[in-house]
Amino acid sequence: GNSVTQMEGPVTLSEEAFLTINCTYTATGYPSLFWYVQYPGEGLQLLLKATKADDKGSNKGFEATYRKETTSFHLEKGSVQVSDSAVYFCALSEMNRDDKIIFGKGTRLHILP
Amino acid sequence: DAGVIQSPRHEVTEMGQEVTLRCKPISGHDYLFWYRQTMMRGLELLIYFNNNVPIDDSGMPEDRFSAKMPNASFSTLKIQPSEPRDSAVYFCASSWGGRYTGELFFGEGSRLTVL
Repeated sequence: GNSVTQMEGPVTLSEEAFLTINCTYTATGYPSLFWYVQYPGEGLQLLLKATKADDKGSNKGFEATYRKETTSFHLEKGSVQVSDSAVYFCALSEMNRDDKIIFGKGTRLHILP
Repeated sequence: DAGVIQSPRHEVTEMGQEVTLRCKPISGHDYLFWYRQTMMRGLELLIYFNNNVPIDDSGMPEDRFSAKMPNASFSTLKIQPSEPRDSAVYFCASSWGGRYTGELFFGEGSRLTVL
């Protein structure tokens, strides 16, 4: 079945550091890929998405490129801020299969001032 | 615009008691999802509805859990009887078009503690 694997956290970085959170997926077809973010005490919210191979999703300085050859969708940001501290979830959905969105287990990010 | 509204935000109850969690989706959304979040298991899909009809309840852990959606603006998740292992944050999310957009709108969650 479809699945998403993301790097375990917590990830701790200093402000202005470069961020990478790895995500790989398994799918039998052609999924859409997403990154969601969960700030403390809140629900998840969509951060960015990509719907086909080589697409790049971007938002709030974060980027992720849909790599079909490596089945990956790694999240990157060039210079993180304390306000980026949150839990980040990689997710996929596969059209023409069902309506489920499969989430990874989440990666907690701590940014130190 | 109002987002997804969940109640209660926090619930503390004793083992064996009935728990009812409530959700009001965003107006116009045709999909509603119930998720459970724990440290051990992460985010688990329990059940989802399309146009008020349950489509897949394979994630519901056992018969103690039930969910209803009597109309487009209201859904409940009920646990009876509750057990300590049900302690978690329960999220409701809604969407228009389900998988076609991939954008779920989550409520702030209901934190359940069963003693």
